[in-house]
Amino acid sequence: DAGVIQSPRHEVTEMGQEVTLRCKPISGHNSLFWYRQTMMRGLELLIYFNNNVPIDDSGMPEDRFSAKMPNASFSTLKIQPSEPRDSAVYFCASSLGGGGRQPQHFGDGTRLSIL
Amino acid sequence: AQRVTQPEKLLSVFKGAPVELKCNYSYSGSPELFWYVQYSRQRLQLLLRHISRESIKGFTADLNKGETSFHLKKPFAQEEDSAMYYCALRATGANNLFFGTGTRLTVIP
Repeated sequence: DAGVIQSPRHEVTEMGQEVTLRCKPISGHNSLFWYRQTMMRGLELLIYFNNNVPIDDSGMPEDRFSAKMPNASFSTLKIQPSEPRDSAVYFCASSLGGGGRQPQHFGDGTRLSIL
Repeated sequence: AQRVTQPEKLLSVFKGAPVELKCNYSYSGSPELFWYVQYSRQRLQLLLRHISRESIKGFTADLNKGETSFHLKKPFAQEEDSAMYYCALRATGANNLFFGTGTRLTVIP
């Protein structure tokens, strides 16, 4: 199993552009999490899904951010329009089962730079 | 509201010296605590969880409810322990984790 797969690994774009980050969770995992990692704030939960349904999106910073999970094997995090302060590493993680007792498995992350 | 505090962003110790990475939490209920680690060029991964009461790679962590702490300890640091360490909390019944800001540990040879 390749684990959680994120794409792209790196993204550099100009401010104002739309950015779409992609995630493929581990097959069979029914919980999916999007995190943002910065030096100042560490690892912040943006949103998580359970059985493809968004459960808590209180961490999404602004309306410019949106996330979808159209099926059990794919999720996207979109930023439109992007701003320089969105520059960070974005991680996707998945876990098996509800209740949070199973460990979260992380992808390699997407390093996003907004110029 | 839950909060996880890791007071040290950077920590350097010499090889063979004891190491302690501090983690304090704020939560009114009964929490579940974890340590996650990210080695260079590897993915963030679970290191240990308090309910397992296990030692992983020589690391242990004890939940101290009186001090609301979950410090990570190892008696003799190794160079391969150099990594980014995150303390995380799961609230009762929740599926998500609250992470601290992380501590970057450097073990000096």
